[in-house]
Amino acid sequence: EVQLLESGEGVVQPGGSLRLSCAASGFTFSSYAMIWVRQAPGKGLAWVSTISPSGISTYYADSVKGRFTISRDNSKNTLYLQMNSLRAEDTAVYYCAKDRGYNDFWSGRYYYYAMDVWGQGTTVTVSS
Amino acid sequence: DIQMTQSPSSLSASVGDRVTITCQASQGISNSVNWYQQKPGKAPKLLIYDASNLQTGVPSRFSGSGSGTDFTFTMSSLQPEDIATYYCLQYDSLPWTFGQGTKVEIK
Repeated sequence: EVQLLESGEGVVQPGGSLRLSCAASGFTFSSYAMIWVRQAPGKGLAWVSTISPSGISTYYADSVKGRFTISRDNSKNTLYLQMNSLRAEDTAVYYCAKDRGYNDFWSGRYYYYAMDVWGQGTTVTVSS
Repeated sequence: DIQMTQSPSSLSASVGDRVTITCQASQGISNSVNWYQQKPGKAPKLLIYDASNLQTGVPSRFSGSGSGTDFTFTMSSLQPEDIATYYCLQYDSLPWTFGQGTKVEIK
């Protein structure tokens, strides 16, 4: 069974930093892109960041670009989100998710198909 | 960025009713749409992928259709356990964008 377990929940002051982790199991972690999605209190879902299976390629929403860094350790089956210069508007539940995509054997290209399995979420509160 | 306009924002229907939710993309996105269900306090769950394919293990009363800019999600017979908020997502191009969500309640 595919499982994703986020950790790193916390309350941090504006301008502070926090690192989220997501431990994966039940699938070949190094074969799939991974994703962070967040949900502010009482609001809808918002894509935050995606990382390729190897970790070489990363993508960010404009709202977090330059402040957040996505990374992964395929030897530990773990995904990370380093969040710096946090703002009140970053307050949200953060979900990690597995991409439904695949790597094409012949072209070597990875095709992204967005989230199929989600973790339970971890809460980040930015407040003074 | 591609905007996904989802409607309605909320609806109330009776058990057994047919319920339809729509998403309109601001530009053509082929069939690159997923539909998710989110129950209160829980993580989202994938129901439909590639606009019309039912995710493994999801009841057949859920279905999706559409291509290009107009997409539809249907529950053929609303059940009490379907109370949730439903979201469409386009993954045709970055940034991936969600619809605003549709909150479904029982009348």
